[in-house]
Amino acid sequence: AQSVTQPDIHITVSEGASLELRCNYSYGATPYLFWYVQSPGQGLQLLLKYFSGDTLVQGIKGFEAEFKRSQSSFNLRKPSVHWSDAAEYFCAVGAEYRDDKIIFGKGTRLHILP
Amino acid sequence: NAGVTQTPKFRVLKTGQSMTLLCAQDMNHEYMYWYRQDPGMGLRLIHYSVGEGTTAKGEVPDGYNVSRLKKQNFLLGLESAAPSQTSVYFCASTLSPSLAAPYNEQFFGPGTRLTVL
Repeated sequence: AQSVTQPDIHITVSEGASLELRCNYSYGATPYLFWYVQSPGQGLQLLLKYFSGDTLVQGIKGFEAEFKRSQSSFNLRKPSVHWSDAAEYFCAVGAEYRDDKIIFGKGTRLHILP
Repeated sequence: NAGVTQTPKFRVLKTGQSMTLLCAQDMNHEYMYWYRQDPGMGLRLIHYSVGEGTTAKGEVPDGYNVSRLKKQNFLLGLESAAPSQTSVYFCASTLSPSLAAPYNEQFFGPGTRLTVL
């Protein structure tokens, strides 16, 4: 069965600094990968997704993620964070074609220092 | 478009009480999901539905029941609430998958915070 791991429970960065959130998945074939963001008190919103093709995908709010098959990773990056990026970020994976559901990681909470 | 709405936003129950959480979506989505979110556990799937009149168990279905009598509504029931069911509950909906899009974006509601005393 597929699984997804987010090694960092909390990450703190200064406003204006670069950001990288880690995500590792476990699946033999090419997975379907997602990053969602949850602002405080809100539901989740899709940032970006990877199905195939270019391994560097662009998302909303200036985020990007890179799929690395050799490392089973799909890390999320942003060159310069803003205070409004403080939120919880979830990586998710869908593995079986049309499995009807995706599996979420446990999340990484991002804190921004002024 | 309201998107995905959830009723109620907050609720406090006593152990053994029952309640129903309502999820409604106005995007004509076929698929709907109920998740629970607990600190350090991420989102865990309780039940889901791939169409009107159909439901299926997710990762943590025990203690919950669901119904999808209308395409736009997905109800989550707790027949006899337990303190372990204290959580934030999220509903989500998505389009049916296709050859071109085997997985689609899930649209989430704002959540229901449930406390069971």
